[in-house]
Amino acid sequence: GDSVTQMEGPVTLSEEAFLTINCTYTATGYPSLFWYVQYPGEGLQLLLKATKADDKGSNKGFEATYRKETTSFHLEKGSVQVSDSAVYFCALSDRRTQGGSEKLVFGKGTKLTVNP
Amino acid sequence: DGGITQSPKYLFRKEGQNVTLSCEQNLNHDAMYWYRQDPGQGLRLIYYSQIVNDFQKGDIAEGYSVSREKKESFPLTVTSAQKNPTAFYLCASSLGRNSGANVLTFGAGSRLTVL
Repeated sequence: GDSVTQMEGPVTLSEEAFLTINCTYTATGYPSLFWYVQYPGEGLQLLLKATKADDKGSNKGFEATYRKETTSFHLEKGSVQVSDSAVYFCALSDRRTQGGSEKLVFGKGTKLTVNP
Repeated sequence: DGGITQSPKYLFRKEGQNVTLSCEQNLNHDAMYWYRQDPGQGLRLIYYSQIVNDFQKGDIAEGYSVSREKKESFPLTVTSAQKNPTAFYLCASSLGRNSGANVLTFGAGSRLTVL
């Protein structure tokens, strides 16, 4: 079945450092890919998404490019802030193999801590 | 403002008791989902519903039950048959299979602790 593998954390960075969180996926179809962010004690919020190969999703300075050849969707940010401290989840959804539903398959999450 | 409301935020339960978690949405979404979150394991799908009066099991449905009598509501019951119910439970919704988008909106979660 479909699956998502993302780099294990925790990741600790200093403010203004460059961030990369790796994510690779396995899917039989042509999934849409997502990054969600979870701040402490809260639910998940959509950070960005890409629906087809070579699409780049971006939001709040974060970017990720859908790479079909490497089945990857790595999250990057050029200069992190303390407020970016959260848990980041990579996820995929493929309606064509999921009976039309939009249920997501998640990675295990990567906890990011940014120190001032 | 539209969104998803989960209640209660915190819940304590004795072993052997059933407990029901509420999830209400005013987004006019057709589809709703329940996920369970455990430290280091990400999110796992318990049940989902694509339309009123219909729902399907997810990957870890054993020990849980749901109902979808109204479009806005998708309550989750954690039964005494669930062997390890202590977890953070997240409800989500989406427009549904006939929409062009496939983005889930999440509630703030309910933390269940079994004493």
